[in-house]
Amino acid sequence: ETGVTQTPRHLVMGMTNKKSLKCEQHLGHNAMYWYKQSAKKPLELMFVYSLEERVENNSVPSRFSPECPNSSHLFLHLHTLQPEDSALYLCASSQGGLAGADTQYFGPGTRLTVL
Amino acid sequence: EDQVTQSPEALRLQEGESSSLNCSYTVSGLRGLFWYRQDPGKGPEFLFTLYSAGEEKEKERLKATLTKKESFLHITAPKPEDSATYLCAVRAEPLTGGFKTIFGAGTRLFVKA
Repeated sequence: ETGVTQTPRHLVMGMTNKKSLKCEQHLGHNAMYWYKQSAKKPLELMFVYSLEERVENNSVPSRFSPECPNSSHLFLHLHTLQPEDSALYLCASSQGGLAGADTQYFGPGTRLTVL
Repeated sequence: EDQVTQSPEALRLQEGESSSLNCSYTVSGLRGLFWYRQDPGKGPEFLFTLYSAGEEKEKERLKATLTKKESFLHITAPKPEDSATYLCAVRAEPLTGGFKTIFGAGTRLFVKA
């Protein structure tokens, strides 16, 4: 496979469930990102990892827990979510340079529904 | 406060009717401006990166331009398959250090045959 892949593509879970989203990039990039996209709202950056270290955390509730075991894989662990957490969760990767524009490439997203 | 604003929110065109989408920004330390296309239920697809005022880039029916305050995405003779949401994002280097990327809310484009 090429580019950025995400699994599962769709997920329905109850508020008491624990689930995980997976992202894998095949671009040789060093930085990976999790975004939340809700209807009619700008993309919200959740977490940024550079060389497997978390470099940014934008005040995300603790019910979302990221994990980056290596530069190609990124997980988002979910537990005790709320219905307002229903959204499209997008993963992206970039070359990860500290300077410059650093174009991000996105995966197809996981459509999450919390009942 | 750093901001990225896209207009219009939605745009309906007839096939062949050229138009422009606007992305205005207020950030400190611009390091790049990006345009993406997003189809329903899919992730954003990269289109262009612009780095400095006066720069222009083209791809098929799309042309992106950049000034010190805004960027335009010009669509020439659009086709129905150009219907999508177009997202603008800005990478900035704040005075406090580090980098951040800010996305606009997008413009939904509908092209009717």
